Amino acid sequence: GDSVTQKQGQVTLSEDDFLFINCTYSTTTYPTLLWYVQYLGQGPQLLLKVTTANNKGISRGFEATYDKGTTSFHLQKASVQESDSAVYFCALVNYGNEKITFGAGTKLTIKP
Amino acid sequence: DAGVTQTPRHEVAEKGQTIILKCEPVSGHNDLFWYRQTKIQGLELLSYFRSKSLMEDGGAFKDRFKAEMLNSSFSTLKIQPTEPKDSAVYLCASSFGGPNTGQLYFGEGSKLTVL
Repeated sequence: GDSVTQKQGQVTLSEDDFLFINCTYSTTTYPTLLWYVQYLGQGPQLLLKVTTANNKGISRGFEATYDKGTTSFHLQKASVQESDSAVYFCALVNYGNEKITFGAGTKLTIKP
Repeated sequence: DAGVTQTPRHEVAEKGQTIILKCEPVSGHNDLFWYRQTKIQGLELLSYFRSKSLMEDGGAFKDRFKAEMLNSSFSTLKIQPTEPKDSAVYLCASSFGGPNTGQLYFGEGSKLTVL
């Protein structure tokens, strides 16, 4: 079946640091890839979505690139702010069985 | 513009009790999902409805978990009987167009503690 792996359970940075959150996936299809963000006390919300057609997604200063060769979809941001503290979930959409598979999540803490 | 509304936000139950969690999806959305969120297992799909029809019943969650969609604007998740391992945040989400859009709108969740 499909799987999404986020190796980093937690990331702690200072304001203005560069962010890199690792995500790799496994599937037999060509999925759409997603990043969701969950702020404390809220449900997850879609941050960005990338299909096989467009390869790269950018939203609110975050970007992620769909790399079919390495089956990776890492999330990056040039300069993080305290307000970016949240849990970030990588996910894939399998069109064939209409399922979304989520990774375990990476908790990002930004020190002021 | 009302988002997904979940009640109650917090529930404390004794082992063996029956609890019912409620969800109102975004108006006009025809897909509704129930997820369980824990630190260990992450986000697990419990149920998925499309236009009130049950499309996915979450396999392992069948025996004590029952989700229903009584009309297009209201769903319930019943857990009967509750066990301490059911302690988790239960998230309801809705979408227009189904999982293939990738765009789910989540509520704030109902945090269940089973003693």
